[in-house]
Amino acid sequence: GIQVEQSPPDLILQEGANSTLRCNFSDSVNNLQWFHQNPWGQLINLFYIPSGTKQNGRLSATTVATERYSLLYISSSQTTDSGVYFCAVTMDSNYQLIWGAGTKLIIKP
Amino acid sequence: DAGITQSPRYKITETGRQVTLMCHQTWSHSYMFWYRQDLGHGLRLIYYSAAADITDKGEVPDGYVVSRSKTENFPLTLESATRSQTSVYFCASSELGFGNTIYFGEGSWLTVV
Repeated sequence: GIQVEQSPPDLILQEGANSTLRCNFSDSVNNLQWFHQNPWGQLINLFYIPSGTKQNGRLSATTVATERYSLLYISSSQTTDSGVYFCAVTMDSNYQLIWGAGTKLIIKP
Repeated sequence: DAGITQSPRYKITETGRQVTLMCHQTWSHSYMFWYRQDLGHGLRLIYYSAAADITDKGEVPDGYVVSRSKTENFPLTLESATRSQTSVYFCASSELGFGNTIYFGEGSWLTVV
């Protein structure tokens, strides 16, 4: 089956730094979503981005479907950005989400 | 407009007891899902529902029962709780299915002792 790999597994940064999180997938996908799980466990959908680039405030995401990867950019990190970032993909609209293992991000004040 | 809410948020129960986790969404989304999240396993799909009265198994359905008599509610029942079912349970919904944006509830922390 399709493999979803995220890197790096862990990332520790100072407040104000920028970061790039990567999600590689081993087969063609028809959609990709990025989620943030905060330290209290809440899962928030950040982007639905099967291809192209989207921006939402300090966060942006780019998916290059033909090269099978997606990037999540976080600029001017804040402590509230801490948590685990997951990407999840599907191969067709009725198939289950396949999840990456996540990138754990810690932003130090 | 709370979106998607789960109850209880925290529950401790004994082995062998029946437990029901409730999930309610206010968006009238067609699809609803139940996931469990465990260290080392990430998020795993238990059951999902494409519409009222339509449910289907996910990756780890054993020991769980679901129903969906109304579009907005999707309860998950552990018929006879076991320690291995200690986990965080997330309910989620989506307008059009897995290939659409999925929204999660806040989670239900279940401990089986």
